Amino acid sequence: QVQLQESGPGLVKPSGTLSLTCAVSGGSISSSNWWSWIRQPPGKGLEWIGEIYHSGSTNYNPSLKSRVTISVDKSKNQFSLKLSSVTAADTAVYYCASLGYCSSTSRYPYFDYWGQGTLVTVSS
Amino acid sequence: EIVLTQSPATLSLSPGERATLSCRASQSVSSYLAWYQQKPGQAPRLLIYDASNRATGIPARFSGSGSGTDFTLTISSLEPEDFAVYYCQQRSNWPPAYTFGQGTKLEIK
Repeated sequence: QVQLQESGPGLVKPSGTLSLTCAVSGGSISSSNWWSWIRQPPGKGLEWIGEIYHSGSTNYNPSLKSRVTISVDKSKNQFSLKLSSVTAADTAVYYCASLGYCSSTSRYPYFDYWGQGTLVTVSS
Repeated sequence: EIVLTQSPATLSLSPGERATLSCRASQSVSSYLAWYQQKPGQAPRLLIYDASNRATGIPARFSGSGSGTDFTLTISSLEPEDFAVYYCQQRSNWPPAYTFGQGTKLEIK
């Protein structure tokens, strides 16, 4: 079973860059899955940030695209998130998740495995 | 962008009762819709995919239905551990993007 673990600073200064890494275990990041970042501001709902395939192909949420970079390191079986020019509005629990095809007939993948999440606070 | 609207925002029921949660899409998503359960302090868990298929290990009391723009998650007889927040989610084909509904909180009456 795939396990994901987020890591990175819990506090980032305004206008700085948020950087997180997601370590994948129990499976290869070079599998057929896409790998994604999702965030959840305190007491609010879920917002998809972006996804990456092991080839390096990415898709981003249009509302965050100008500030987001997701990259993959196949040698370490992990992928990473960078979010630049952060403000207090970027304070959230950040989750990494795998996007897997739940059946052979599924057209799209779904978020089947999640990390436990890490709280990132933007504050001076 | 496809918007998912969930109702009600909060649902108050007792253990043993039947829960019916709704998710409406602003345009058709065919049957490509998922439901997730989130308990406090935990990551979401996939319950239902492709509108009506239970994910691995999900109890049979959870069922999903619908297609196009209107979807329903039904919990046939609530267990104490089912009280949580539920989200629906869809994927847009172009541009590729995922959106979630705002959530329905299922609370103990």
